[in-house]
Formats: sequence, C-alpha cells, structure tokens
Amino acid sequence: NAGVTQTPKFQVLKTGQSMTLQCAQDMNHEYMSWYRQDPGMGLRLIHYSVGAGITDQGEVPNGYNVSRSTTEDFPLRLLSAAPSQTSVYFCASSSGLAVETQYFGPGTRLLVL
Amino acid sequence: KNQVEQSPQSLIILEGKNCTLQCNYTVSPFSNLRWYKQDTGRGPVSLTIMTFSENTKSNGRYTATLDADTKQSSLHITASQLSDSASYICVVRSGGGADGLTFGKGTHLIIQP
Repeated sequence: NAGVTQTPKFQVLKTGQSMTLQCAQDMNHEYMSWYRQDPGMGLRLIHYSVGAGITDQGEVPNGYNVSRSTTEDFPLRLLSAAPSQTSVYFCASSSGLAVETQYFGPGTRLLVL
Repeated sequence: KNQVEQSPQSLIILEGKNCTLQCNYTVSPFSNLRWYKQDTGRGPVSLTIMTFSENTKSNGRYTATLDADTKQSSLHITASQLSDSASYICVVRSGGGADGLTFGKGTHLIIQP
C-alpha cells in the first residue's frame, strides 16, 4: 500500500513550457485534490475531484488543468508555465469530505525560470 | 472570508520540554478542526480531527483541544523529542465551499538537544 504518490519530485521549467504533474493513490479514495504551498502562506486549493469524471475548481485554478479518468489517477497540467507558478505542489486524497482523514503525497517542487 | 490564524509563527524549545501551539479561526459554518504535522520536504500528516462536540483529542504525546464557543484550538506537545521538529498546521473545515478546508500558515517548531 503505497498511499499517495507524486512524480516528479523536482522539476525545472522555462517560462512558456508545459508539463504534467502526476498523482496516484491506491486506497480507492473518491476524493482527490491538488494544492500549492508557498512560503508564508497556507496551502491553497487548485482543483479537486469527487470521483472519476468529475472535477471542479478551487481557490487558485488559473493556469492549471486537471482530469480524472480513473479513481486512482489525478494529473495536474500546467499549460504555459509562469514564474508565479514556482511552488511546491501537493496531491491529497480521502474517502470523503466530512471527517475522513486526508492523505497527502510527498510533493513536487517546481521551479519556473 | 474564512480565516485561520496560528501563533506563534515559530518556536524553539529544548528537548524534553512541553509546548502549546495556538489556532484561532473565523470559519462558518464550522464542521471540524484538524491538526497536521509537516516535516521538512514532506507532505502534511494528519494528527487529530475534532468535531463540534469534541473538546479534546489525543494522539500519543499530542493533545488537541477545541473551544467552539471562542473559536480557538490548541495543540499541546508533551515531553518533546527531536523528531517533533516540524511545521504544525491547523485546518478548519466548513460546511460549504470547494473542499471546505481553510489552512493556517503553520507554526514552525524547532526542538533543540
């Protein structure tokens, strides 16, 4: 049981490049989400999904796309990277939206030059 | 706007000592309050989840309290260990919004030998 996995661990991009951050979970959780963590700020929700085929925007969705074709995978796409997207990105999953424990992945550190 | 404020921002204590971290929130409607531990370079890990009716919850040497009337919570760490060095994040879930979670900025705790 690997929990929540994320790849890559670290990535450097040039402005304008695109890339996909991968997230997978093996706990059969319906709910998955993407956050970014910046210095001096709390985690902010980018996009989330309540099940395969269902996604919705969070607090800071601009510049990011998501899709959820399977229960296990929830990739985050940067369409045209900007320096403002330099951050640490965390994927999380849970079995519900009430009092269920949220499990986080190890994070992807992204640097956009 | 829902807000979660944590204090202090950072704290240094000697190994073996106790400490208390504070969390004040203005989140409505309130559903539950969570404390996470985040080691450097890792994803957050859930410590406790408390609902409106719970005013204390323990997880080993960690004890969280909740006063829903004053909208305050605390996390007490007993007999600190070097492995307790981490950021501690208070998160409040409301009954509405995207995923309903509002994250505090965290308290950075350093345990010195």
